Amino acid sequence: SAVISQKPSRDICQRGTSLTIQCQVDSQVTMMFWYRQQPGQSLTLIATANQGSEATYESGFVIDKFPISRPNLTFSTLTVSNMSPEDSSIYLCSGHLDAEAFFGQGTRLTVV
Amino acid sequence: AQKVTQAQTEISVVEKEDVTLDCVYETRDTTYYLFWYKQPPSGELVFLIRRNSFDEQNEISGRYSWNFQKSTSSFNFTITASQVVDSAVYFCALNTGFQKLVFGTGTRLLVSP
Repeated sequence: SAVISQKPSRDICQRGTSLTIQCQVDSQVTMMFWYRQQPGQSLTLIATANQGSEATYESGFVIDKFPISRPNLTFSTLTVSNMSPEDSSIYLCSGHLDAEAFFGQGTRLTVV
Repeated sequence: AQKVTQAQTEISVVEKEDVTLDCVYETRDTTYYLFWYKQPPSGELVFLIRRNSFDEQNEISGRYSWNFQKSTSSFNFTITASQVVDSAVYFCALNTGFQKLVFGTGTRLLVSP
């Protein structure tokens, strides 16, 4: 199994600013993903974080808005750039290992 | 294309009642994995179970049980003798090995005393 530590757990940010969320896994996972969960909604995949290369973004998400890094097999960051109130959501990172999917605790972001 | 449908948006029960959460999935792959997660108000996703497509054996874990039926593409989740602490949003999800998880829309379970 894998344990994923995500921080910050929550934050309140001013519009126009950026926030970087960190995700640390205690073991090497094959795949890492970033999801967004808007209030009252299900989880939507933002992108696949690729180790050592550019992330693969889903339709509707772009690198300029959600830059992602994954410098090694156990760490990834997601930045939410130039935030607006519509970005208020829970952001979750996920790591896959042997078809198991593990999640961080989530980052509850409120943009004011 | 992969799809997960949780038709029940919200279910309300009284403590000690049994409740079943429905999950119907669509995939063309022959090898796939099904998951159930619990999301309490705090927001984290709590893993409950993973089932692969070749294992149709039903599973019981304490008050929780899962009924996997490939013939109807369903993977239903039953809580026996529900408790207030079971109140949460429950998500069913699907993936094909190393691919992303596709989530259903979730079912909010409210258990009142």
